[in-house]
Formats: sequence, structure tokens, C-alpha cells
Amino acid sequence: QLQLQESGPGLVKPSETLSLTCTVSGGSISSSNYYWGWIRQPPGKGLEWIGSIYYSGSPYYNPSLKSRVTISVDTSKNQFSLKLSSVTAADTAVYYCAREEDDTNWFDPWGQGTLVTVSS
Amino acid sequence: SYELTQPPSVSVSPGQTARITCSGDALPKKYAYWYQQKSGQAPVLVIYEDSKRPSGIPERFSGSSSGTMATLTISGAQVEDEADYYCYSTDSSGNLRVFGGGTKLAVL
Repeated sequence: QLQLQESGPGLVKPSETLSLTCTVSGGSISSSNYYWGWIRQPPGKGLEWIGSIYYSGSPYYNPSLKSRVTISVDTSKNQFSLKLSSVTAADTAVYYCAREEDDTNWFDPWGQGTLVTVSS
Repeated sequence: SYELTQPPSVSVSPGQTARITCSGDALPKKYAYWYQQKSGQAPVLVIYEDSKRPSGIPERFSGSSSGTMATLTISGAQVEDEADYYCYSTDSSGNLRVFGGGTKLAVL
């Protein structure tokens, strides 16, 4: 059974870079049928897609975040990562990683999510 | 940009049918998906490709799509179905992934 687990600092200072890693277990991140994505949810608000990446590269980013986001993949560790630069309090959210179907783009399964707070 | 529009809230009594709508201009060409999110938990897929139900999802959950509107139907809603429901799809290019704003379902 495929499982995803987010990890990284729970507190980031304003203007710094948020860095998270998603570790995939129970399956290979190098599968040709899937993308790997990041989604976030500010407290009390809805879901926002951040970006997705294929195992060989070729990321897609939400245009609203594109200038600050980098998503990368490390097949040797079966992990993919998120970096979000110049964070503000508006970036405080639960960050989820998820597997994305290649041709139809739906997300399943999801990690449990990790809360990242931006505060000095 | 592209948006999927959902009603903020829907309320039904136990045993009644709940319907949650999602409108988007690309829905005639793109599948709609529905996620259930209970408080403090990660979203769970309840409908994929407009009307298919993943294994383990109760039969009372169904989906449909016509024109620019997709609908999630919960027939005989139960108290445990209280949750936030999000529709999901992509824009016509398939490059922009979008979630609806979410609908809070109250069963009381």
C-alpha cells in the first residue's frame, strides 16, 4: 500500500525559504504513470494546488506561486521536495504531498499533512 | 486563471439526499473529482472521473456531470458524512490543477 509522509520544519521566519520533503513508501517514485504533487491548506480555508512533478523532472507550478516555488525529485531516496521562498504569514498552512495520476491528474493517496507556521 | 465554484454550505437531515454542485467552464471536457475532508484529516477521494466510486466508499456516494456542472450526491446522508467536500479538476489545457472552494455539509 502506497504511503506518503511529509517532513520538515514546522516554523519558518518571514522572508526565509520553506523546505519540505515527501517520502514515498510502498511503491516507486519512478513509476511512469504518476506525477507527485504538493497541495496546501491555510487554517480554516480551502485547498490550493502548489505544483506537481514527474519522476524525470518537468514540474508544473500554480501560476500564483510560480515565482517562489521549486519542486524537485530524488529517485535514489524515493522522495520529492518543495521549496517556497520569501515566505510571509500568508504561507502558513498545512502542506500535503500526494500522488497524481498521469493522464487524469487526480490526487490519491495523500500524506497526512504537516503544519508550517510562518512567524518571527 | 480558472475557477471551480461550489456553494459554501449545504444542510440536510439524516436520511435525506444531499447534493453539492460544482461549476466550471472546462467541465464539459475535463473530469470532475470529489474529495471528503473531515476535521483535522487529509482529504479522501470519494468520486473520480465524474461518477466512479473508489473501493471502500459507500454506495450512497455518487457523482454526475452535465455541461459545466458536476454534482456530488449523497443518498441517505448520515451523521458521519458531515465534512467539507471539495471538487477538483483541471483547466482545459490540463496544466492548471484547481480545487473548488469547498462545501461544508451539515447533517442534523
